[in-house]
Amino acid sequence: QVQLQQSGPGLVKSSQTLSLTCAISGDSVSSFTAAWNWIRQSPSRGLEWLGRTYYRSKWYNDYAVSVQSRITINPDTSKNQFSLQLNSVTPEDTAVYYCVGDWGRFAFDYWGQGSLVTVSS
Amino acid sequence: SYELSQPPSVSVSPGQTAIITCSGDFLGNRYACWYQQKPGRSPLLVIYQDVKRPSGIPERFSGSNSGNTATLTISGTQAMDEADYYCQAWDSSSVVFGGGTKLTVL
Repeated sequence: QVQLQQSGPGLVKSSQTLSLTCAISGDSVSSFTAAWNWIRQSPSRGLEWLGRTYYRSKWYNDYAVSVQSRITINPDTSKNQFSLQLNSVTPEDTAVYYCVGDWGRFAFDYWGQGSLVTVSS
Repeated sequence: SYELSQPPSVSVSPGQTAIITCSGDFLGNRYACWYQQKPGRSPLLVIYQDVKRPSGIPERFSGSNSGNTATLTISGTQAMDEADYYCQAWDSSSVVFGGGTKLTVL
């Protein structure tokens, strides 16, 4: 059973960088079959996929067009975790952020507990 | 950009069948999946690849996808099924979610 444990600050100031980490247990961030995603949810934007990282002999990233100029998702193989960095945040980035694993079934199988991040102006 | 549309709300009596739809252009040509979300909880995958149930999901949950519409059907709906339901599909290398449907079990 895969478990994802998120951590990071719940309050970020406008124009600064939002940073979250997701620790994986039950699988490896370097798995050849899994991908590791960040998804957020807010009342105004609903569920929004932000991007993913995955390993297939080398590391790949895909990012949503809406955030691609501001986002970085990085794996950390030494700690078996992955991270989200979102730069130049505004109050519109206030949301619950989820780290999520998928195993190539065109669906998101395992979700972290969610982290409410508030961007203050 | 690709969009998925869901009715905002659906009501059903206990024991009856709930049907939740998700519409998108040629959605039947893509895999659709469904998530259940209860207040304060993370979404839970209930249907993937149109018709498949993950381990542990009750048989009363079923799905279909054809033409422009994917459907989540809950047979013999129980009070515990009251939740928000979201459809989701892939578009190129990105992901699209529907706006969600609140299922009320009256």
